[in-house]
Amino acid sequence: RKEVEQDPGPFNVPEGATVAFNCTYSNSASQSFFWYRQDCRKEPKLLMSVYSSGNEDGRFTAQLNRASQYISLLIRDSKLSDSATYLCVVGGSQGNLIFGKGTKLSVKP
Amino acid sequence: DAGITQSPRHKVTETGTPVTLRCHQTENHRYMYWYRQDPGHGLRLIHYSYGVKDTDKGEVSDGYSVSRSKTEDFLLTLESATSSQTSVYFCAIRNILVREDTQYFGPGTRLTVL
Repeated sequence: RKEVEQDPGPFNVPEGATVAFNCTYSNSASQSFFWYRQDCRKEPKLLMSVYSSGNEDGRFTAQLNRASQYISLLIRDSKLSDSATYLCVVGGSQGNLIFGKGTKLSVKP
Repeated sequence: DAGITQSPRHKVTETGTPVTLRCHQTENHRYMYWYRQDPGHGLRLIHYSYGVKDTDKGEVSDGYSVSRSKTEDFLLTLESATSSQTSVYFCAIRNILVREDTQYFGPGTRLTVL
C-alpha cells in the first residue's frame, strides 16, 4: 500500500462548484497532515494544515479522520484561480514530508 | 516567501558529468531538505540536513551526496549524472517556529541529463 494515496483526477468543474478531494495514508503513527497546492511548473505551497478537529480557511475546509486514516479537502465556490494540483501531505519520521501524487483541478468559466 | 533560492534554475548536462545544485536560505533555519519530483510520483526525499555538517539519507539517496558547511547553504551533488536523474529538484526548509511545523519550498531546478 502506498504511503499517501489520492485520486489523480483531473477534476473538471465549473466556476462556483463545490469540489472535494480525498486522501488516505498508511502510517497510523503519523502526527501531522497538510494540503499543499502546486501550480504548473512551480513549487508546492502550503495551503493549510489539517487538524483533528477539522479546520476552515475561507472557502477551504480540511478534515482528518484518524480512525480511517483519511484526509479531505473541500473547496466551495470554486474560482478560476483555484485551478492547480492539490497535494495531500503527511509528516514523516525524519521530519520530512510524504507526498501523494496530487489531484489536478481545472475550474472552467 | 521563505527566502529560499535555488541555482541553477535550469541545467542540461551529459551522462557521466558531475552536477552540483545549490540551495540558499536567508532565515537561518536549521533543517533543510532535497526532494525530487517526477511524473507519476509524489515528491520524494533525497537527503536532508539537521544542522551544519549534519546530514542523513532519504528514500532515494543512491547516486546523490550532500554537503552543508554553513547554515544558509545546502548543496546536492550528482557525482556522475545518469538519465534517470532527469527530474525537478526542490529544496525545502522546515520552519519549526510557527504553528504549522512544516516545510517551505524553493522554486526548483529543472535538470535534464542527456
